[in-house]
Amino acid sequence: KQEVTQIPAALSVPEGENLVLNCSFTDSAIYNLQWFRQDPGKGLTSLLLIQSSQREQTSGRLNASLDKSSGRSTLYIAASQPGDSATYLCAGGGDGGTSYGKLTFGQGTILTVHP
Amino acid sequence: DGGITQSPKYLFRKEGQNVTLSCEQNLNHDAMYWYRQDPGQGLRLIYYSQIVNDFQKGDIAEGYSVSREKKESFPLTVTSAQKNPTAFYLCASSDRGPTRPQHFGDGTRLSIL
Repeated sequence: KQEVTQIPAALSVPEGENLVLNCSFTDSAIYNLQWFRQDPGKGLTSLLLIQSSQREQTSGRLNASLDKSSGRSTLYIAASQPGDSATYLCAGGGDGGTSYGKLTFGQGTILTVHP
Repeated sequence: DGGITQSPKYLFRKEGQNVTLSCEQNLNHDAMYWYRQDPGQGLRLIYYSQIVNDFQKGDIAEGYSVSREKKESFPLTVTSAQKNPTAFYLCASSDRGPTRPQHFGDGTRLSIL
């Protein structure tokens, strides 16, 4: 059964700093790896989706990488801003090679960017 | 605006009562999902549906039921058999295929009276 772990659980940085959030998964038979953002009391917003055949995806100041062989993904945020403060969740799509729609989530990293 | 609408935003359940959470989407997505989120935790999959009139159990389906009679609607019933229903419930939808991200509603917070 797929297990997803995120480190660190919480991170506080000053504005302008570059930072990396880590995600590890136990089963390399995933269809994709997705990164989401969640603001307090709200639903999730999709940030990036990396297909299993890809190594990375970029959107603006965000860059996500995927290394299936080591079971790791990272989310890199450049030049962080206070508006980036939120919980960031990663999720592996597919469970043991079945059903790409079945996402297994990590516990999330709570990011605080202070001015 | 296209999106996913969950209602109500807050819901209270009495002991022994069944309650139904609504999820409607106008994104023309084939697949829909229900997740449960507990404080400080990630999301856990309850049920999912890849097509109308078909759905599968997720990891924590016990005490829950769903129906998928229309493409745009995927209601979740929390039955009295679910002994610990207090949580934040999130509905999502996506196009079919491993390259399609899931889109989420704003959630329903369920509490026990």
